Amino acid sequence: EIVLTQSPATLSLSPGERATLSCRASQSVSTYLAWYQQKPGQAPRLLIYDASNRATGIPARFSGSGSATDFTLTISSLEPEDFAVYYCQQRNIWPPAFGGGTMVEIK
Amino acid sequence: DVQLVQSGAEVKKPGESLKISCTSSGYSFTNYWIGWVRQMPGKGLEWMGIIFPSDYETKYSPAFQGQVTISADKSISTAYLQWSSLKASDTAMYYCARGESTPPYFDYWGQGTLVTVSS
Repeated sequence: EIVLTQSPATLSLSPGERATLSCRASQSVSTYLAWYQQKPGQAPRLLIYDASNRATGIPARFSGSGSATDFTLTISSLEPEDFAVYYCQQRNIWPPAFGGGTMVEIK
Repeated sequence: DVQLVQSGAEVKKPGESLKISCTSSGYSFTNYWIGWVRQMPGKGLEWMGIIFPSDYETKYSPAFQGQVTISADKSISTAYLQWSSLKASDTAMYYCARGESTPPYFDYWGQGTLVTVSS
């Protein structure tokens, strides 16, 4: 089974700053990786699919990059509504899996 | 608008059975996979399994194989997650979600069903 390791566990930043989140896979997932955002008390929301494609309605400040085993989600300038937990998910090899999450908190 | 509406919160005792539901609208139910995701209190997301309502093909993550049953009724655009004998460790929020291809990414999610198992 593929294990997805997200780092850091917590990222403390101020509004307007750039956020860089990492997701590392235990073996190659090609570009079959997605990113989700989850706010307290809400269901997750799909942000990025296939490593770098923004989902419908997702602002351009969110971008994804990477392939094989190393992936990055970048939020170019944090808005107040972006403080949340972010999860990566691979769909290249069964069973699919989520990473453990990165919490982006207000500094 | 695409919507997935889940059944309400449940409080059960260990050993009891339970079936929760997820009703879809706003799209062709038989053209997309429906998956279930567990989130234990204060923890991350766990992939449980998926079903394709057109032919009822079902796939489970190994950690959940034999522990739950995923089913659907395409006549009423509803998917189900079922337990035959609940344990305290089944206490969690359960989300249903929609996706294309297999295994899918999930582009629309239900609001979640909180299941509490306590004696």
